[in-house]
Amino acid sequence: AQSVAQPEDQVNVAEGNPLTVKCTYSVSGNPYLFWYVQYPNRGLQFLLKYITGDNLVKGSYGFEAEFNKSQTSFHLKKPSALVSDSALYFCAVKGYNQGGKLIFGQGTELSVKP
Amino acid sequence: DGGITQSPKYLFRKEGQNVTLSCEQNLNHDAMYWYRQDPGQGLRLIYYSQIVNDFQKGDIAEGYSVSREKKESFPLTVTSAQKNPTAFYLCASTPGLARANVLTFGAGSRLTVL
Repeated sequence: AQSVAQPEDQVNVAEGNPLTVKCTYSVSGNPYLFWYVQYPNRGLQFLLKYITGDNLVKGSYGFEAEFNKSQTSFHLKKPSALVSDSALYFCAVKGYNQGGKLIFGQGTELSVKP
Repeated sequence: DGGITQSPKYLFRKEGQNVTLSCEQNLNHDAMYWYRQDPGQGLRLIYYSQIVNDFQKGDIAEGYSVSREKKESFPLTVTSAQKNPTAFYLCASTPGLARANVLTFGAGSRLTVL
């Protein structure tokens, strides 16, 4: 069965420090991987995706993610966190032959303190 | 600006009542989706539609119904058969079902059963 795991319910970071939000996946075939962000009482916004090619993917708002096939991971990173980055982050995956269906992780609450 | 409009933003329902959540998009997207969001559980797919007059059940379709009479509209009805309908409901769309497509989300509708 295809699945996505975000092992941390919450990540706390001081402003200016680097941040990492972890994601691991299990899927048949080559995965298509996505990160979305959600601000309170809003819909999700797309941050970045990995389809193929370079393992380091750059996205919106200074975020990047590293695809690691051997560890089946796709961790989200940012070199210097901002208070405005505080939100709920979702990792998602599409496996082979899944069409448009996206499997989401349970989400990680990121809190950036001044 | 193109986007997805969901209404109402907040909805209260008495037990035993059906309610319908509206979703309208002006992105000219072929595919539309309904997700349910519960705290700590990520997003779960209720129904999706690839084209007008066609839709498929997602992972948690029981107690829900949809229609797709127009390309722009994909309303979701939460029926009295849904045992625990209190949740945040998100509508989304993509140009088609290609794996690389990114979901565009509406702002969501929060349903509370009294």
